[in-house]
Amino acid sequence: DSGVTQTPKHLITATGQRVTLRCSPRSGDLSVYWYQQSLDQGLQFLIQYYNGEERAKGNILERFSAQQFPDLHSELNLSSLELGDSALYFCASSNRYNEQFFGPGTRLTVL
Amino acid sequence: GEDVEQSLFLSVREGDSSVINCTYTDSSSTYLYWYKQEPGAGLQLLTYIFSNMDMKQDQRLTVLLNKKDKHLSLRIADTQTGDSAIYFCAETPGNAGNMLTFGGGTRLMVKP
Repeated sequence: DSGVTQTPKHLITATGQRVTLRCSPRSGDLSVYWYQQSLDQGLQFLIQYYNGEERAKGNILERFSAQQFPDLHSELNLSSLELGDSALYFCASSNRYNEQFFGPGTRLTVL
Repeated sequence: GEDVEQSLFLSVREGDSSVINCTYTDSSSTYLYWYKQEPGAGLQLLTYIFSNMDMKQDQRLTVLLNKKDKHLSLRIADTQTGDSAIYFCAETPGNAGNMLTFGGGTRLMVKP
């Protein structure tokens, strides 16, 4: 158990819908990262937050957004979902040594 | 942009050593990591090496870094069936924050 929690574990929805994925970092970690894992793209960095502020952006679509709240949990919002958005979405948090610990992931299926 | 490459597959016999290789292109990488992913599970951080080191040992795991050739390897001694998984190499680009750039993963199969 990495100490990073993610909910829900599985999500099945339809095209055009909007979903919210939730992540709680390890106690004491201020940075949260979101990654997407798909068969065709592999593991890709989406976005990073540090203590509530956006720190870095990767290959994140405009239909996707995220935020980090004062209690440091983070949410990833995916809207206007397409079939190609089906993937595993991982959240990670890092300590001051830049060790990144991953949550168990949310498996999103868009039908 | 940055690129991390790994071979797709490695098969070894139980008790043998496994060596998983990785090459990267970003010469400003600061940290290089190895993660393990078992079926249906998340990514488990195995070990990492700072770019000013050339070797790191942690129990059965040995990481070797050749900065000149931008080559990283993970050696698993006395490989067990429980080591069967996908192993990902990852780097943090030194000039672009702390996000990880991952290789495509190497599937390790350990035969009894």
